[in-house]
Amino acid sequence: NAGVTQTPKFQVLKTGQSMTLQCAQDMNHNSMYWYRQDPGMGLRLIYYSASEGTTDKGEVPNGYNVSRLNKREFSLRLESAAPSQTSVYFCASSDLLSNSPLHFGNGTRLTVT
Amino acid sequence: AQKITQTQPGMFVQEKEAVTLDCTYDTSDPSYGLFWYKQPSSGEMIFLIYQGSYDQQNATEGRYSLNFQKARKSANLVISASQLGDSAMYFCAMREGQNTGFQKLVFGTGTRLLVSP
Repeated sequence: NAGVTQTPKFQVLKTGQSMTLQCAQDMNHNSMYWYRQDPGMGLRLIYYSASEGTTDKGEVPNGYNVSRLNKREFSLRLESAAPSQTSVYFCASSDLLSNSPLHFGNGTRLTVT
Repeated sequence: AQKITQTQPGMFVQEKEAVTLDCTYDTSDPSYGLFWYKQPSSGEMIFLIYQGSYDQQNATEGRYSLNFQKARKSANLVISASQLGDSAMYFCAMREGQNTGFQKLVFGTGTRLLVSP
């Protein structure tokens, strides 16, 4: 089982460029999430999708858009990248049980210069 | 106010000893869930243990146990018999409210654990 797969693993962008981070899960989970991790700040929720067809803002949504393409796939788009978006991005998924943990992908390290 | 507070930026422990990583949380919701994750230097996030607010007993998973003190709003992770492979960053996280089908977790800033031979 692949679990949660994120692409790419690394990316360098110039300020103003756009890109889409891809995420797919093969665990038939309903919910998917995008987090960013910055040094000393833990993980912060950017957007989440409770189920196919719905998306909602998390704690730090500014500068990002998301698409829940189908049950498996949840993408994160940076329309005009800024240096403040330099971070490690994690996609995660979970099922419906109350004790269900988030299953994370391996992360995308993004640098914006 | 911080929802999750991990006051120990770094901890050191010798191999085979036990170590406690602190986590306090802040919520007024009677229903919540607490999670611990491990992040090794390779970067992946590994789920360790879960405690629900209504669980009567402290959660245990192998060498991991959760010292859950509800009145003090603390959920400390105890690792028994530390191993070199336990060296990693450890995150405490909380879901507030009933699980309505998704888990919006709020994470602490983490504690870096170093296990020495």
